[in-house]
Amino acid sequence: DTEVTQTPKHLVMGMTNKKSLKCEQHMGHRAMYWYKQKAKKPPELMFVYSYEKLSINESVPSRFSPECPNSSLLNLHLHALQPEDSALYLCASSQLELATLYNEQFFGPGTRLTVL
Amino acid sequence: KQEVTQIPAALSVPEGENLVLNCSFTDSAIYNLQWFRQDPGKGLTSLLLIQSSQREQTSGRLNASLDKSSGRSTLYIAASQPGDSATYLCAVAFRDNYGQNFVFGPGTRLSVLP
Repeated sequence: DTEVTQTPKHLVMGMTNKKSLKCEQHMGHRAMYWYKQKAKKPPELMFVYSYEKLSINESVPSRFSPECPNSSLLNLHLHALQPEDSALYLCASSQLELATLYNEQFFGPGTRLTVL
Repeated sequence: KQEVTQIPAALSVPEGENLVLNCSFTDSAIYNLQWFRQDPGKGLTSLLLIQSSQREQTSGRLNASLDKSSGRSTLYIAASQPGDSATYLCAVAFRDNYGQNFVFGPGTRLSVLP
């Protein structure tokens, strides 16, 4: 299996809702990443997990809460989001042969999030 | 602060042409540079990764070069096809005062016309 999968593909939520995004990979990668991509902009790094531990948090607001239950699974819990948080959320994974961000990253298809 | 730029922002070419996409970065102390393609509304597909010690990488009709000292990389696409139409992004991995980082350029939107 050489894919990174993400569910759901689309998500619409209100500002008071709680929802979660899910990412899964079965390539044996030990690093997983969350990125946020606004329309017509490049992706921006949010969080990095290495060996199931949070290693990088790019000063992301606490309404985004990542979780890595095991080496294959990465979640992003969402609560009290704002309309400006609407974006494509991308998950990626990589091996850890080198320091985390220096390895080739493989991306999932993304979850299109709309906050009303 | 590392900044990554890509020129041109958009490019339209007839099928069969060879073309070059450019990526520039301001801090030459990078660890590697990766090229991706992104189809509209989709995730990113890794095309090529060049380590800082390498000068170029090739995969099929794609060839990426890296000149770290001048802060430039090019992606050469030979014999372009309509299926190559996508946005092409470069990204650099580096270390700054805050630790490791990974920054994308804004992308070049390529259209290959049949």
